[in-house]
Amino acid sequence: EPEVTQTPSHQVTQMGQEVILRCVPISNHLYFYWYRQILGQKVEFLVSFYNNEISEKSEIFDDQFSVERPDGSNFTLKIRSTKLEDSAMYFCASSKTSGSADTQYFGPGTRLTVL
Amino acid sequence: SQQGEEDPQALSIQEGENATMNCSYKTSINNLQWYRQNSGRGLVHLILIRSNEREKHSGRLRVTLDTSKKSSSLLITASRAADTASYFCATVSNTGNQFYFGTGTSLTVIP
Repeated sequence: EPEVTQTPSHQVTQMGQEVILRCVPISNHLYFYWYRQILGQKVEFLVSFYNNEISEKSEIFDDQFSVERPDGSNFTLKIRSTKLEDSAMYFCASSKTSGSADTQYFGPGTRLTVL
Repeated sequence: SQQGEEDPQALSIQEGENATMNCSYKTSINNLQWYRQNSGRGLVHLILIRSNEREKHSGRLRVTLDTSKKSSSLLITASRAADTASYFCATVSNTGNQFYFGTGTSLTVIP
């Protein structure tokens, strides 16, 4: 069964450094998402992406964050200058159609630790 | 906020018993979905119920939806130790692009 994959599974970085989290969505899906989950808290929406542009973003997704689909298979989340509070699990998700009619399939997550 | 809120926050049962988790939300929805998350792992989709459906089954899972009360329930029958996980309901924004997750119910099934 097709699945969303994410790399790396764990990323440790120093505060102020840039990180890029990578995701390979399910191949025939057209909508892509990033979520984060701070330890012990709920999963929070960051951004959705469709047709090579951001379709929706939350307040969390400020200028430090950016997303890109550099080729036909990868979907990346970049954090330009990491802060301690960026430490969290980051989940990528994809769906074939918009989430109002379809489910989102989640990857296993990347645990980001900012020191 | 459109976020779903689950209750109870934690539930501990014996293997073989049924587990019921509830979810309430605030605004109108197109669908509501339930996910499971094992500790430190990703979210696994369990079931989607559309706003015009009242009940849906999938194996040992039974989901109900009451749009008049803006609530949903997830029933796991004949629970197993492997069902131990956190369970979340998710509602979708009006644009269809953003999922709102609740805080989840932490289920522990004791062998």
